[in-house]
Amino acid sequence: AQTVTQSQPEMSVQEAETVTLSCTYDTSESDYYLFWYKQPPSRQMILVIRQEAYKQQNATENRFSVNFQKAAKSFSLKISDSQLGDAAMYFCAYRSKNTGNQFYFGTGTSLTVIP
Amino acid sequence: DAGVIQSPRHEVTEMGQEVTLRCKPISGHNSLFWYRQTMMRGLELLIYFNNNVPIDDSGMPEDRFSAKMPNASFSTLKIQPSEPRDSAVYFCASRDGTSSWLYFGPGTRLTVT
Repeated sequence: AQTVTQSQPEMSVQEAETVTLSCTYDTSESDYYLFWYKQPPSRQMILVIRQEAYKQQNATENRFSVNFQKAAKSFSLKISDSQLGDAAMYFCAYRSKNTGNQFYFGTGTSLTVIP
Repeated sequence: DAGVIQSPRHEVTEMGQEVTLRCKPISGHNSLFWYRQTMMRGLELLIYFNNNVPIDDSGMPEDRFSAKMPNASFSTLKIQPSEPRDSAVYFCASRDGTSSWLYFGPGTRLTVT
């Protein structure tokens, strides 16, 4: 089975600064999807950003962007101009294109935003 | 659309009681997933359905857990009898055939005393 590793259990950032959350994954497949989900204290899981493996261009959604390094199997999330509302648990996730509906989630990174 | 709907949002029950969690997926979504989240084990897939048919239930912890999807707009996850170690947040999620990602419900926080 594929594995997703988030090596940073906790991170903190000053408001308005930039922070990068790390994610690595293990797969033998060439085509797949990668995602970052945000889970604020309300516990709702919210999709932040997604990346298709065959696309070389890094995905961007407003202040959120990814650094996708396919050869290194790395998928980091950069949050620019951090806001208090960005404080949450962030989960990296992998989904194969070939094996249907199985999603693999990392263990999460808890992000604190310091005013 | 109202998104994925789960009920109840909170459930507190005593050990040995039956617990039923409910989920209404987003209209038009043909895949439905049940996840369990705990501090120790993170997010675990319990079971998922495709077109109302259970496809993979290998994550269901034991026979005390059962899930059904009688139609495209409703699913239940039942625990009978419940145990304190079942205490967790249970998420329902759905997706359609075209979107690559999951839409999650707000979760049900279950506490078994």
